[in-house]
Amino acid sequence: EDKVVQSPLSLVVHEGDTVTLNCSYEVTNFRSLLWYKQEKKAPTFLFMLTSSGIEKKSGRLSSILDKKELFSILNITATQTGDSAVYLCAVLLYGQNFVFGPGTRLSVLP
Amino acid sequence: EPEVTQTPSHQVTQMGQEVILRCVPISNHLYFYWYRQILGQKVEFLVSFYNNEISEKSEIFDDQFSVERPDGSNFTLKIRSTKLEDSAMYFCASRGELAGNEQFFGPGTRLTVL
Repeated sequence: EDKVVQSPLSLVVHEGDTVTLNCSYEVTNFRSLLWYKQEKKAPTFLFMLTSSGIEKKSGRLSSILDKKELFSILNITATQTGDSAVYLCAVLLYGQNFVFGPGTRLSVLP
Repeated sequence: EPEVTQTPSHQVTQMGQEVILRCVPISNHLYFYWYRQILGQKVEFLVSFYNNEISEKSEIFDDQFSVERPDGSNFTLKIRSTKLEDSAMYFCASRGELAGNEQFFGPGTRLTVL
């Protein structure tokens, strides 16, 4: 059974802290790994990772994929209260099926 | 900026009734998806659709569910006889081949079955 695991499930930090969110997967026919931010409603796209070892960056967020060890991390530096959300990791399989992890709920306190 | 739209934003129905949830994917996208998220739980894949047919479906997507692309722009999810446990947020998503594998979600339809 295809599986995506995220850790921690919940995290509370203070503004300015740096956080690392983890995603590991056990799937057949891996194609890409995607990170999303979900605030109140629909997930919004952050990153798509297909190749190992290539860091993707967007402002204070960055992510990298390790296809040998089957995991990815999402880093957020200098966190702000607006970063509070659930961060979802999803794996795209060949055949167009997405498998989502349970998410990490990040709370950033002022 | 192009976006995925969904209607209605909230649908309330009686158990046993049929509902149709509507989505307009981004116009040049080729792959379409439906997901559901029961309150407080994770996003669950229902079905993917490409080239006018289902390409993948999950165990959740049983005979009570169907999808259709009736007119080249809309993408619909029909639930024939709703059950209480169908109450959830239903998200439509689309992605385009040429743009890579980025997937964009609609705002969701909250379905409440009474």
